[in-house]
Amino acid sequence: GQSLEQPSEVTAVEGAIVQINCTYQTSGFYGLSWYQQHDGGAPTFLSYNALDGLEETGRFSSFLSRSDSYGYLLLQELQMKDSASYFCAVANQAGTALIFGKGTTLSVSS
Amino acid sequence: EAGVTQFPSHSVIEKGQTVTLRCDPISGHDNLYWYRRVMGKEIKFLLHFVKESKQDESGMPNNRFLAERTGGTYSTLKVQPAELEDSGVYFCASSQGHRQNTGELFFGEGSRLTVL
Repeated sequence: GQSLEQPSEVTAVEGAIVQINCTYQTSGFYGLSWYQQHDGGAPTFLSYNALDGLEETGRFSSFLSRSDSYGYLLLQELQMKDSASYFCAVANQAGTALIFGKGTTLSVSS
Repeated sequence: EAGVTQFPSHSVIEKGQTVTLRCDPISGHDNLYWYRRVMGKEIKFLLHFVKESKQDESGMPNNRFLAERTGGTYSTLKVQPAELEDSGVYFCASSQGHRQNTGELFFGEGSRLTVL
């Protein structure tokens, strides 16, 4: 089966950099995804890594190491609006659905 | 283009009652998923439709849950009879073709179910 581990909470101040780690166990690996969810809102797609290395999209970057079954989401120049829950996810064995971690609650203070 | 829409946004029912949640996916998206998040826990997969067919329903907790997707368009998730542990936020998501392999699903804002 699939399982993912990520920290439950992270706190940071505006302007800082924060890294949210994710380790996974899966019987068939397609890639690692990251989602953001604000309170009461829809989870929204942030990034996807199928290959090792760093993918950068604006202030957010995502990294994957398949040999270590590990990835992280890097958020730079933090803003208050970045306060949200962040989920890593991998596809199930059949590659037909995403399995999510428990999420990391990021709190950004001024 | 309209996103994934879900109805109702919030439902409060008593134990033993029935609730039906509806999801309208993005037009043209063959894949439709139901997920549930119980407070503080993961977004848990329930089931996956490809058009009108159930592709994977391994996440459905028990036979009190019934999902349908009429004509491959909108989907309903019925809980009958509801139990206290069914409380949570039920999310619907959709994707086009094999987009799930890129990890990108489009989620609705969820239906919050409270069972008293």
